[in-house]
Amino acid sequence: DQQVKQNSPSLSVQEGRISILNCDYTNSMFDYFLWYKKYPAEGPTFLISISSIKDKNEDGRFTVFLNKSAKHLSLHIVPSQPGDSAVYFCAARETGNQFYFGTGTSLTVIP
Amino acid sequence: DADVTQTPRNRITKTGKRIMLECSQTKGHDRMYWYRQDPGLGLRLIYYSFDVKDINKGEISDGYSVSRQAQAKFSLSLESAIPNQTALYFCATSDSGLAGVAGELFFGEGSRLTVL
Repeated sequence: DQQVKQNSPSLSVQEGRISILNCDYTNSMFDYFLWYKKYPAEGPTFLISISSIKDKNEDGRFTVFLNKSAKHLSLHIVPSQPGDSAVYFCAARETGNQFYFGTGTSLTVIP
Repeated sequence: DADVTQTPRNRITKTGKRIMLECSQTKGHDRMYWYRQDPGLGLRLIYYSFDVKDINKGEISDGYSVSRQAQAKFSLSLESAIPNQTALYFCATSDSGLAGVAGELFFGEGSRLTVL
């Protein structure tokens, strides 16, 4: 069973608007949640993370929100830029152990 | 130079052939991982190693084997390749993930394998 789920395979937004990417998980033992960004022909690169003891982490245009009771996290990108067009993977780390990835959401930012 | 280097970047082979994908890193991390990416399935863990003497199976280890030759080197082998092993393979590294630190993964650029 998929422990980390991204139910939206794709998302399109206008440049300057907010992009919201969602992720759900099932394992309450996850202690960190991470977002990765992947461009074609490149490996995923780390974007932002949040500890399970927090509910928000912000880094420039990127903010991750964690709702532990709902086992849900989201990545907000404001304002969205064409260079943000990529596949975004949500990932979760089991305490001191391995990482689990979602299936990815392809974001297209329209100029 | 990339911190995590994978070779080869592209490989086409035939069913039944033995294939090795190699990964080397200069980040000094203890932990290394092999993932495969398939359309609609995201990244799935094949094997991981927390140090040279530690090898662990991931979600989809059947049909694969690994070798941790040194702290900096982790290779993935397909003993007898089959078409459904056609995928994009990624090597990744991380530090020990100390308390309070996410210990995020650093990925190589990927190795695209096609099994005919």
